[in-house]
Amino acid sequence: DQQVKQNSPSLSVQEGRISILNCDYTNSMFDYFLWYKKYPAEGPTFLISISSIKDKNEDGRFTVFLNKSAKHLSLHIVPSQPGDSAVYFCAASGSNFGNEKLTFGTGTRLTIIP
Amino acid sequence: KAGVTQTPRYLIKTRGQQVTLSCSPISGHRSVSWYQQTPGQGLQFLFEYFSETQRNKGNFPGRFSGRQFSNSRSEMNVSTLELGDSALYLCASSLADRVGLETQYFGPGTRLLVL
Repeated sequence: DQQVKQNSPSLSVQEGRISILNCDYTNSMFDYFLWYKKYPAEGPTFLISISSIKDKNEDGRFTVFLNKSAKHLSLHIVPSQPGDSAVYFCAASGSNFGNEKLTFGTGTRLTIIP
Repeated sequence: KAGVTQTPRYLIKTRGQQVTLSCSPISGHRSVSWYQQTPGQGLQFLFEYFSETQRNKGNFPGRFSGRQFSNSRSEMNVSTLELGDSALYLCASSLADRVGLETQYFGPGTRLLVL
């Protein structure tokens, strides 16, 4: 039972354009959401997070949007750069069952085309 | 500040053996969590330790165990290895003060191959 889903295994975007990565969740007890970026042979690197009391959080080129009614979040990267090519994971946690337990999606491989 | 470190980085074992992996968290972080990453299942939570106590546990068999020391360093042990245990094992640390929301920071992982 996949509680966090990333339905697009891969995405290709032209350099300079916007990359939009999507994530859906089913557990309404999740109240904290994070995006991680992962290069091969490295651990995930934290990118940006959002709590359920907000609907948007921005950090430089990265913006995360949360739509609680649709149980959907998205990560926008503008403008996309070649160094953004990596696998992106969304993750969720809930204060009711321990914020340290992250439930991950299966990841989306983003390729930025120069 | 140094990041999360994991040793060894690579390991080859045979079925039936046991293995111990080590994780040193970021200085000041008291919580250490372990995850297994496989191509088929993605990243899955194993367990979390805080102040030398297991505080949270995922859905893995008892062959998977861990512990945490007083300096917050953690070890994970897998006994009676099976082929399906081949995976990247990731350790993450966080402050875990539980006052606010937590961000976990990951180490580079230990790649385990079971033959």
